[in-house]
Amino acid sequence: GQQLNQSPQSMFIQEGEDVSMNCTSSSIFNTWLWYKQDPGEGPVLLIALYKAGELTSNGRLTAQFGTTRKDSFLNISASIPSDVGIYFCAGTTGNTPLVFGKGTRLSVIA
Amino acid sequence: DAGVTQSPTHLIKTRGQQVTLRCSPKSGHDTVSWYQQALGQGPQFIFQYYEEEERQRGNFPDRFSGHQFPNYSSELNVNALLLGDSALYLCASSFGVGSVDTQYFGPGTRLTVL
Repeated sequence: GQQLNQSPQSMFIQEGEDVSMNCTSSSIFNTWLWYKQDPGEGPVLLIALYKAGELTSNGRLTAQFGTTRKDSFLNISASIPSDVGIYFCAGTTGNTPLVFGKGTRLSVIA
Repeated sequence: DAGVTQSPTHLIKTRGQQVTLRCSPKSGHDTVSWYQQALGQGPQFIFQYYEEEERQRGNFPDRFSGHQFPNYSSELNVNALLLGDSALYLCASSFGVGSVDTQYFGPGTRLTVL
């Protein structure tokens, strides 16, 4: 099935560093979503984006809906150990099911 | 308020067998979607149930079937299991079929096919 291109696949960072990850699609989406999945759990919604160019924050997390509507970006500032997990992007046109990326695995070194 | 619950947590089956997974949606939700998440991959949409009917379906064979009950709970059935069906199966619930952006995911059922 279709999956979005998400990069990087994994990253190791020091506690306190900022993190950037992105997601691209060959299709246009009306909605971009960012999720975090911890081991043994289902994905948890972090941020939802509904408009091209939109920039939305949730605490230390900031996400942007790309102006082409084919990409999205997630930034985490001042990372902490509990940021460890797998981050997924997902897109939809509204009437279609969610399409997910393969995830970015984040490891934080204290 | 209980979130989305799934059972069982883990199970092991052999090739050719059949399996049934269960999901109870979050209180107040009436729509259930099922996803397959293979190791190292993102979730893949299987199908969505609303008002006891399958409303949307992803690219999965007919071996995958489902059901929704009047209390909104749902089952996922997989027949003639293949090794490649080994995955984490996630259930997500929402209110209304168009509310994919407000889905709540359950913890999943880990299926291993030997």
